[in-house]
Amino acid sequence: DTGVSQNPRHKITKRGQNVTFRCDPISEHNRLYWYRQTLGQGPEFLTYFQNEAQLEKSRLLSDRFSAERPKGSFSTLEIQRTEQGDSAMYLCASSLKYLGLAGGSNEQFFGPGTRLTVL
Amino acid sequence: AQKVTQAQTEISVVEKEDVTLDCVYETRDTTYYLFWYKQPPSGELVFLIRRNSFDEQNEISGRYSWNFQKSTSSFNFTITASQVVDSAVYFCALSVHSGNTPLVFGKGTRLSVIA
Repeated sequence: DTGVSQNPRHKITKRGQNVTFRCDPISEHNRLYWYRQTLGQGPEFLTYFQNEAQLEKSRLLSDRFSAERPKGSFSTLEIQRTEQGDSAMYLCASSLKYLGLAGGSNEQFFGPGTRLTVL
Repeated sequence: AQKVTQAQTEISVVEKEDVTLDCVYETRDTTYYLFWYKQPPSGELVFLIRRNSFDEQNEISGRYSWNFQKSTSSFNFTITASQVVDSAVYFCALSVHSGNTPLVFGKGTRLSVIA
């Protein structure tokens, strides 16, 4: 399977605990995005990378959240001191850097998500 | 700032009916991309179509068609002869500049197709 994969698929934790999620993008994709989706809402952007460089972080990403993409391949998203409001689906997506007329495509391909429940 | 509005929260149709999902967007950028994604009950977002701001040509792909109108900032999606398998949440999304920037999603429209 060459799609985007995420692990774990489900995570239940107690308030105050730290959690870490992993995303493995499509192998040739150099851009990787993290989104959060709560019930009945569309996905909201958290942060994204080009290769190992973190290009942008949303205001939604509090100091308790940190993301890395150390070798420009897989990425991790860590939440420290989880709160009940962190309960959501965390989605990862990847894409190629669009080169305009030079080629490439810019659609983002999404993984199955990690559902976090904070008790 | 960018914004995407999907005014229809839920739509229910009987199988074989045609259905149109509305999307209105806001952006000050002159170069942008619009997308439609489908989220079936399994939860994984599936890419359906991409359109850039310089291409207002409407497209038909099988039972799906898209109507992009810059004058009204709309990018509507029509399913012809709907099927039960079309039941899902559909999201319209916007990305500015090259389209490689983060997506701004609407809240989605839940489509239920009843047999």
